[in-house]
Amino acid sequence: QITLKESGPTLVKPTQTLTLTCSFSGFSLTTPGVGVGWIRQPPGKALEWLALIYSNDDEHYSPSLKSRLTITKDTSKNQVVLTMANVDPVDTATYYCAHEPASRGIFFDYWGQGTLVTVSS
Amino acid sequence: DIQMTQAPSFVSASVGDRVTITCRASQHISSWLVWYQQKPGKVPKLLIYDTSNLQSGVPSRFSGSGSGTYFTLTISSLQPEDFATYYCQQANSFPLIFGGGTKVEI
Repeated sequence: QITLKESGPTLVKPTQTLTLTCSFSGFSLTTPGVGVGWIRQPPGKALEWLALIYSNDDEHYSPSLKSRLTITKDTSKNQVVLTMANVDPVDTATYYCAHEPASRGIFFDYWGQGTLVTVSS
Repeated sequence: DIQMTQAPSFVSASVGDRVTITCRASQHISSWLVWYQQKPGKVPKLLIYDTSNLQSGVPSRFSGSGSGTYFTLTISSLQPEDFATYYCQQANSFPLIFGGGTKVEI
């Protein structure tokens, strides 16, 4: 049974760095082709993909946010960490981590519950 | 980057109705298209992958079709639990792009 859970601050001040942790179980990030991604959703708005890391350490980022994002994995802890630098109120959103199965298409079959992050002074 | 355009943005429908949602990609993405369902306050749920493959546990009233740049999600007979927002996502290449969503309302 695959489960994922996001953790991190609920309130961040503008210009600070946001660090979110995805803790997962039921799969290993050492399995070839498997990945974990981050997706966010501002209140009342659509989903936006942010980043994805694969078991082979390949990293992919949204071009519009690439300069501010870093995704890392700790396979021993079954965790993936996303850092976002220089946050702004427009970064207020629910942040989800999700499992990317080892398939030809790139999509997410299991999602965490999400964590709401508010950026405000 | 590939852009994904969903239509319509809102659908007003009744229980038992047949509902079709479209998703257009700005570039050819073969069959690498997925659909998610999101109910208010809930986590997105994978419905269909690779254009037409139902995720395990998804009712057969949901179906997907298309290829290249034009795709559809059809609900053959709308049920009360189907009132939600539906998102397409191109699964062909990075960056991953979601459509703007289609809200199916009563």
